[in-house]
Amino acid sequence: SQQGEEDPQALSIQEGENATMNCSYKTSINNLQWYRQNSGRGLVHLILIRSNEREKHSGRLRVTLDTSKKSSSLLITASRAADTASYFCATDGDRGSTLGRLYFGRGTQLTVWP
Amino acid sequence: NAGVMQNPRHLVRRRGQEARLRCSPMKGHSHVYWYRQLPEEGLKFMVYLQKENIIDESGMPKERFSAEFPKEGPSILRIQQVVRGDSAAYFCASSTSRGRAEQYFGPGTRLTVT
Repeated sequence: SQQGEEDPQALSIQEGENATMNCSYKTSINNLQWYRQNSGRGLVHLILIRSNEREKHSGRLRVTLDTSKKSSSLLITASRAADTASYFCATDGDRGSTLGRLYFGRGTQLTVWP
Repeated sequence: NAGVMQNPRHLVRRRGQEARLRCSPMKGHSHVYWYRQLPEEGLKFMVYLQKENIIDESGMPKERFSAEFPKEGPSILRIQQVVRGDSAAYFCASSTSRGRAEQYFGPGTRLTVT
């Protein structure tokens, strides 16, 4: 399976702390995306990192990609209670597969306590 | 620019009835993807469509499920003779191009089969 797997499954921290979530996948990719989902809601796109990029920033988010280890990490700095949500990584297929479909992991449930 | 629109947001059907889920992609997006999410799980790809074409339906059950994206109007995911196991959240996403592009998700349709 090409499915990404997030780690940890659940993370509970205090406001102001940093939250780090990891994602591992199995095949080569063209890009990797991180999404956030509040309970019972749709997915919000956070950031896309391409296979030739190693690090990307967006506000309080920092994403790294290590294609040699087939892993990515999402760092949220100075977390807030409003960051409480599930976070998913999604990978596309390698060159041999149909571009377009995304493979999602089960997600990391982040809880930020005020 | 309105985001991806899905309707209805909630749908209740009795076993054996038909469910029709609609998705209007973001303006300027011609690629539509349908995903299904079971409770506590990540999203699973179902089908990828462009206008009037099914590009990849490998994630969609062969029986009872069909999808279309006509030249005019929204994309439709149709489930005939629903069963309890079809109860899930169904999400639609759209993008500007095939692969190498962010997919933007709608709020989802929560289907409950009683």
